[in-house]
Order: sequence, then structure tokens, then C-alpha cells
Amino acid sequence: GAVVSQHPSRVICKSGTSVKIECRSLDFQATTMFWYRQFPKQSLMLMATSNEGSKATYEQGVEKDKFLINHASLTLSTLTVTSAHPEDSSFYICSATGQGGVREKLFFGSGTQLSVL
Amino acid sequence: DAKTTQPTSMDCAEGRAANLPCNHSTISGNEYVYWYRQIHSQGPQYIIHGLKNNETNEMASLIITEDRKSSTLILPHATLRDTAVYYCIPQGFGNEKLTFGTGTRLTIIP
Repeated sequence: GAVVSQHPSRVICKSGTSVKIECRSLDFQATTMFWYRQFPKQSLMLMATSNEGSKATYEQGVEKDKFLINHASLTLSTLTVTSAHPEDSSFYICSATGQGGVREKLFFGSGTQLSVL
Repeated sequence: DAKTTQPTSMDCAEGRAANLPCNHSTISGNEYVYWYRQIHSQGPQYIIHGLKNNETNEMASLIITEDRKSSTLILPHATLRDTAVYYCIPQGFGNEKLTFGTGTRLTIIP
């Protein structure tokens, strides 16, 4: 099946620094990618939707200047958490879908655990 | 988006069939029923989806009632690796924006 690779799997950073998370579709062209955030013992919450070559669409309450999303190619999307603070500590998950047979379902990355000290 | 109701948690003995129910009484005519699961500290994994006919694949079976207001995911021979949170999500085909509810935490007991 289609594979989505997400890196890093875990990152610890100091408050005020920026962190970049990469999401790659390895064997299909991801026309649309989604970024989710998950706090402990809670469900996934959609942060934003990105289509290749266009600006991301953010969900209500998600700061677009804080969570920068770039989807410059059909196989790569990045999420940059700018000026991270402890309240940004969370599990971040990307997902992707494409055309044809892969369109009918979402493929998820393995997630990135972000801890901001 | 249609709302769903799932049990908060369920236990199942290893080797037995696990039956996970989901109510989606407000599902619209063009929405499929999707099931995903999330093993602890991992990204969600697609399991199966269906519109109105029952479906089966290598992972599970999906039984959808005739009125489409509820469905049941069946794991025929549960193993310890099936311990996860299972999400039932009504979704329009081609509308990939999934909204996750609280799901059912399934624990497989040795």
C-alpha cells in the first residue's frame, strides 16, 4: 500500500525556537496533505489542509503565522512550528491522499512527538 | 458532517471476534462509512470503508444496516496487535477531510 513517511519521530526543543516537520509520500503523488494535532488522551484535531502549489487552508483557531505549512511538491509537505512554546507540545500527524486508486482513503505518517521545554 | 456514537471502550479475548458498533443516524446518502484505527503513539491506519453493501478485506469485515444508520466493524480473530482506538467516520467519497470523533478503545486480552 501507499506509504507516508514523517520525520522526525520525536523532537525536543527550547521555548522560542522553530521546529520543522517533514511529511513525504514515498510511492504516490500526494495532491492533498493534511496536518493534525493530538493532545494526550484526546482525538486528532485537523489543523490545516494543503494542496500542492497553493496556500494551506487553516481550521478555525489555528494560527497560520505560527504553524507554517509548505506543500511545494507532490511528494513533500512541511509544517514549521515557529517560536514554539510549551503549550505547543503535542503529537503532530500528517496524512496524504492522491489521485486514482489512492484517492479513496487517507494514508498517515507515523507522527511527530514535539516537546517544548 | 454526520455525528457518530461509539462505545468508549471494549475488551475482547484474544482469538475471538471483536465486534465494534457505530451509530451514524445522520449520515447522508452520499457519505461512505470509513473505519480507521490508531495504535498507541502511531498515526492512524485505514481499515475498511463501505457505502451500503457489506464489505470484507484482509483486515476486517464491515456490516452496514439497511437503513445505513449504523454499522459494525468485525475483526474475525483478534490478536494483541489489534489493541487500538477505532474510529468510525462517515465521509463523502473524494472529500478527504476526515473529522475524528472519540472512537472506541479496544483492548485485546490474552
